[in-house]
Amino acid sequence: GAGVSQTPSNKVTEKGKYVELRCDPISGHTALYWYRQSLGQGPEFLIYFQGTGAADDSGLPNDRFFAVRPEGSVSTLKIQRTERGDSAVYLCASSSEGLNYNEQFFGPGTRLTVL
Amino acid sequence: AQTVTQSQPEMSVQEAETVTLSCTYDTSESDYYLFWYKQPPSRQMILVIRQEAYKQQNATENRFSVNFQKAAKSFSLKISDSQLGDAAMYFCALRPANSKLTFGKGITLSVRP
Repeated sequence: GAGVSQTPSNKVTEKGKYVELRCDPISGHTALYWYRQSLGQGPEFLIYFQGTGAADDSGLPNDRFFAVRPEGSVSTLKIQRTERGDSAVYLCASSSEGLNYNEQFFGPGTRLTVL
Repeated sequence: AQTVTQSQPEMSVQEAETVTLSCTYDTSESDYYLFWYKQPPSRQMILVIRQEAYKQQNATENRFSVNFQKAAKSFSLKISDSQLGDAAMYFCALRPANSKLTFGKGITLSVRP
């Protein structure tokens, strides 16, 4: 497809489990962003990739959260030892350049529920 | 650090009428961009309009326009001739140059037929 896609659309897991969330950016977009949107809140920045490298990971809440983008396209957000407080919608966005370019295109998000 | 404040949690407008959504922000940067995003129930954030801080002229996109007051750090969105499809969450966002995007808490807009 032409837009940003994210899988799965919904993920239910149990406290303490490991989860992976996937993001497929728009083809050719070098910049990729992850955000977390808790209920009733706006999205909060987690991490930004320029190509394969994480240019800014200052938004990752703790060391249970990790993200990779090994080939500069698809990215995976990994959460270890999930906690109920991790329940949120995780949004991915991409743009054709880095932070100097205006528009980020967003995917539909993955709703993560930790029981 | 930057902050974005949307103090109205929800608003309602009659179809075909005009509504204004408020937003204030704070940043120490002189070069930045401001955005309004729409998030329907499908969750996908859609860019509605953007404003470069160095431009004095208010941005306009069809029925959507902004009132950018730089000195007051205010950035409101006006929706004219409201349509049922405008019903959604609206987020104001700020991005200083070479920095990350910061969103407000959002406002739920409902449109009455």
